[in-house]
Amino acid sequence: NAGVMQNPRHLVRRRGQEARLRCSPMKGHSHVYWYRQLPEEGLKFMVYLQKENIIDESGMPKERFSAEFPKEGPSILRIQQVVRGDSAAYFCASSPVSGSRTDTQYFGPGTRLTVL
Amino acid sequence: DQQVKQNSPSLSVQEGRISILNCDYTNSMFDYFLWYKKYPAEGPTFLISISSIKDKNEDGRFTVFLNKSAKHLSLHIVPSQPGDSAVYFCAAGPNEKLTFGTGTRLTIIP
Repeated sequence: NAGVMQNPRHLVRRRGQEARLRCSPMKGHSHVYWYRQLPEEGLKFMVYLQKENIIDESGMPKERFSAEFPKEGPSILRIQQVVRGDSAAYFCASSPVSGSRTDTQYFGPGTRLTVL
Repeated sequence: DQQVKQNSPSLSVQEGRISILNCDYTNSMFDYFLWYKKYPAEGPTFLISISSIKDKNEDGRFTVFLNKSAKHLSLHIVPSQPGDSAVYFCAAGPNEKLTFGTGTRLTIIP
């Protein structure tokens, strides 16, 4: 049973470009979460999605950031017009279809975004 | 504001001894707590969790203790093994939106 998959593992962008980060949840999981980890900090919640629905995006910056989880295909975290402060590790997690708040979140290996 | 705090950035423990990692929280709405372990260049791996209706949960070498009145939880690892060397994060939530601490780097000395 494959775990949560994220790609790319490393992404380098110049200021002003767009970054697209992909996350495929574990088989049987329909809940996806995105977190960001800045250097020397803990993971910060960004957004919680179910298939075709954004459930909670209270941790998302108001501008330039968007997320989706389509009916088919991976979840995408999109950052437009990246700035140096967006450099971080972005982690995706998934949990089972039951949606219980105590369901364990299983994390992917992360995408390390570097903005030059 | 840091609602989940891990005040020890690092900890070194002799192999075979007990490792105790601590975590404090400030949000009274938190009622579900988890510990994750993270190796470099990997995502966090779930270790153990506890809900606020309990004060202890045990899984093999790992035990988590919760003191609700002090808003404090701890993770005990015994006996400590070299493979336990990693960064440990505590996380908490009233729901799926987890709040993480900044982590404690545990080093097990052979």
